[in-house]
Amino acid sequence: QQQVKQSPQSLIVQKGGISIINCAYENTAFDYFPWYQQFPGKGPALLIAIRPDVSEKKEGRFTISFNKSAKQFSLHIMDSQPGDSATYFCAARYGGATNKLIFGTGTLLAVQP
Amino acid sequence: DTGVSQDPRHKITKRGQNVTFRCDPISEHNRLYWYRQTLGQGPEFLTYFQNEAQLEKSRLLSDRFSAERPKGSFSTLEIQRTEQGDSAMYLCASSRGGSGANVLTFGAGSRLTVL
Repeated sequence: QQQVKQSPQSLIVQKGGISIINCAYENTAFDYFPWYQQFPGKGPALLIAIRPDVSEKKEGRFTISFNKSAKQFSLHIMDSQPGDSATYFCAARYGGATNKLIFGTGTLLAVQP
Repeated sequence: DTGVSQDPRHKITKRGQNVTFRCDPISEHNRLYWYRQTLGQGPEFLTYFQNEAQLEKSRLLSDRFSAERPKGSFSTLEIQRTEQGDSAMYLCASSRGGSGANVLTFGAGSRLTVL
């Protein structure tokens, strides 16, 4: 059972364009929603994160939009650059002591120059 | 570099052999996690330590898997009698406690190939 569904599986964007990746979840026990960026041969690195009491969070060119009622959240990358080409994972955390993250299946982003 | 270190980076083994992976977390981090990542998938939670105590284990962690963090610093993940289905990237992550617990820092992973 996939608790965090991510789409699209892959995405091609022209340099300067907007990249949009979507995620949906079912479990209302999730209390924290990070996005991770992973380059080949590297571990995932935290990019940006949001809590469910906030509808939007922006850090530089990266924005998370969060819709609590729809149980959906998305990552927007503005002015996409070739250096943004990587795999992006959304995740959701169970509230409580463990801090366990449930990851989506990932989106391979290619930004063409 | 004071990131999370994992060793070895790559391991090729024959089915039935035992393998052990080591993780050295960021020194001031008391929380340590193991995740498994297969090709085209997101990381899947395996187990969690707070200091030396193993507080949660996933159902993915069969009895052939064992993880330890004996002194609350480095951790090892051992897989006994490896199977081809164990082939994956094994990722270690660490974090602070308290308000810093949200930020997991991952290592580059140990890639296991079981022939």
